[in-house]
Amino acid sequence: GAVVSQHPSRVICKSGTSVKIECRSLDFQATTMFWYRQFPKQSLMLMATSNEGSKATYEQGVEKDKFLINHASLTLSTLTVTSAHPEDSSFYICSATNSVEQFFGPGTRLTVL
Amino acid sequence: KQEVTQIPAALSVPEGENLVLNCSFTDSAIYNLQWFRQDPGKGLTSLLLIQSSQREQTSGRLNASLDKSSGRSTLYIAASQPGDSATYLCAVNYGGSQGNLIFGKGTKLSVKP
Repeated sequence: GAVVSQHPSRVICKSGTSVKIECRSLDFQATTMFWYRQFPKQSLMLMATSNEGSKATYEQGVEKDKFLINHASLTLSTLTVTSAHPEDSSFYICSATNSVEQFFGPGTRLTVL
Repeated sequence: KQEVTQIPAALSVPEGENLVLNCSFTDSAIYNLQWFRQDPGKGLTSLLLIQSSQREQTSGRLNASLDKSSGRSTLYIAASQPGDSATYLCAVNYGGSQGNLIFGKGTKLSVKP
């Protein structure tokens, strides 16, 4: 199947700093990528839909000014958590679709101290 | 509201047993449904994808069925092994080829040797 990578896999940062997470589709072009968040013992919840060349669509309750999404090319989307706080600590997973199936990245574990 | 529910939340079985995991969804107008496996602290591994026009999909010891009219899907695991221990997630796509997934909370499976 298609491969989606995420970088970094794990990040620990101080409160107030910004963290950028990259999501890449390695062997296919993805006009649409999705960013999900998973808190401990909870399921994945969609944060936003990232469309190449246009603004992301955010789910209700997700602050677009805090979670900046850029989808600059057909193989790369980035999520920047600005001014991170401990409550932003979570597992962030991206997915990319080839119009048939969604393929998920391995996730990024963010810990904000 | 479109919701996905998985029962049971946790399941513990001895090695060799056949088992069934259940997934129900509130809106039957789905595009497709996927079953994933998630190991602790890891990303998602896609197991089976069932399109709305299909009734079942099989891969090795896994068989997933779909009954849209009743809003249900089951994942059947034959001859379970300790390596099958993981959390199994059911996810429904309502949005088409570029649609996001709505996840259930998962069933945590433990297979005892």
